[in-house]
Amino acid sequence: QKEVEQNSGPLSVPEGAIASLNCTYSDRGSQSFFWYRQYSGKSPELIMSIYSNGDKEDGRFTAQLNKASQYVSLLIRDSQPSDSATYLCAVFAGGTSYGKLTFGQGTILTVHP
Amino acid sequence: DTEVTQTPKHLVMGMTNKKSLKCEQHMGHRAMYWYKQKAKKPPELMFVYSYEKLSINESVPSRFSPECPNSSLLNLHLHALQPEDSALYLCASSLDRGTYEQYFGPGTRLTVT
Repeated sequence: QKEVEQNSGPLSVPEGAIASLNCTYSDRGSQSFFWYRQYSGKSPELIMSIYSNGDKEDGRFTAQLNKASQYVSLLIRDSQPSDSATYLCAVFAGGTSYGKLTFGQGTILTVHP
Repeated sequence: DTEVTQTPKHLVMGMTNKKSLKCEQHMGHRAMYWYKQKAKKPPELMFVYSYEKLSINESVPSRFSPECPNSSLLNLHLHALQPEDSALYLCASSLDRGTYEQYFGPGTRLTVT
């Protein structure tokens, strides 16, 4: 079982729609959760971090965390073509992996006009 | 300011060459990281430095040699690389080696011929 799994893509949504990206993780001791956006040929850019159960909103982005279900998601409201990118879910685990960020395989999002 | 800088942007080297990648941050972060990213894959952790000391080495071949001269600088020395080492090399930093957000630099695109 992969440590961090993201919903298989690619995901295509029309401009103005809500894009929903999902991620599950296997380590119940995981402490911190991050979403990165990566444009083609560029480096990952941190767009959201979430540490406790519930929702966290930042502009058009909402991260949701459910530790009991080991699930974290990212909602992008009013999607724009400029949101087209690969979205990486990253999880920080404790224990012997302390200091290591584990990434999912990424979900490619395309927002079409 | 969440800027991590990396030089050079691009590097082409032969298998017998010795070269170095450089990373710098002035955010007062005490943890710095090297990642390797192949096309269409997530970043893969190579090394973690915490307070200028190597704290994680993800079983990276000895042809990659990291160095942390001070709290702001991180180098990756390259020697006798193989063509399969061609990738995007990413540096990141975080406040500490813990649950904190990691910020990535723009990366060095390395091609080994």
